[in-house]
Amino acid sequence: DQQVKQNSPSLSVQEGRISILNCDYTNSMFDYFLWYKKYPAEGPTFLISISSIKDKNEDGRFTVFLNKSAKHLSLHIVPSQPGDSAVYFCAATVYGNKLVFGAGTILRVKS
Amino acid sequence: KAGVTQTPRYLIKTRGQQVTLSCSPISGHRSVSWYQQTPGQGLQFLFEYFSETQRNKGNFPGRFSGRQFSNSRSEMNVSTLELGDSALYLCASKQGAGNEQFFGPGTRLTVL
Repeated sequence: DQQVKQNSPSLSVQEGRISILNCDYTNSMFDYFLWYKKYPAEGPTFLISISSIKDKNEDGRFTVFLNKSAKHLSLHIVPSQPGDSAVYFCAATVYGNKLVFGAGTILRVKS
Repeated sequence: KAGVTQTPRYLIKTRGQQVTLSCSPISGHRSVSWYQQTPGQGLQFLFEYFSETQRNKGNFPGRFSGRQFSNSRSEMNVSTLELGDSALYLCASKQGAGNEQFFGPGTRLTVL
């Protein structure tokens, strides 16, 4: 069963605008959530994370929002840049154990 | 600090052979996890090692095994390779009690 879901396979955004990537989860035991960015033939790069006791975390152009009641999180990138074009993975963990990943969303930022 | 390193980066094997992949974690990180990425199944957890002991295991057959050495370096072994084992194998390290895992570049395994 897919415990972490990224329902949008791809997203296309104009440079300078906001990119919003979404993620839903089903396991209420998840206590930490992470976003990774991945280029082809490379390993995922850690972007930003959030604990389940928070609802927002910001780091520069990246903000992650968590809505526990809806079991939903989102990653906002503002402003979007062409170099942000990559596959974005949402991941979740319980007590720092294994990461459970979503299927990924391909982000294309057009200049 | 140097990142997670994996060797080799690319590997071609034939069915029935075995393969060993290596991972060196970030200095000071004692936890090493392995993941498999395939187009059909996405990123899936294989196992985690901490202080030379397997701490967690994913849902993979016994052909997949691993170990960790006293310097935290880890190896992963796949025996009796099958075509379906073709994948990108990723190693990730973290501090023992941390949540953020940092990934290496991966080893691309092709089984012919």
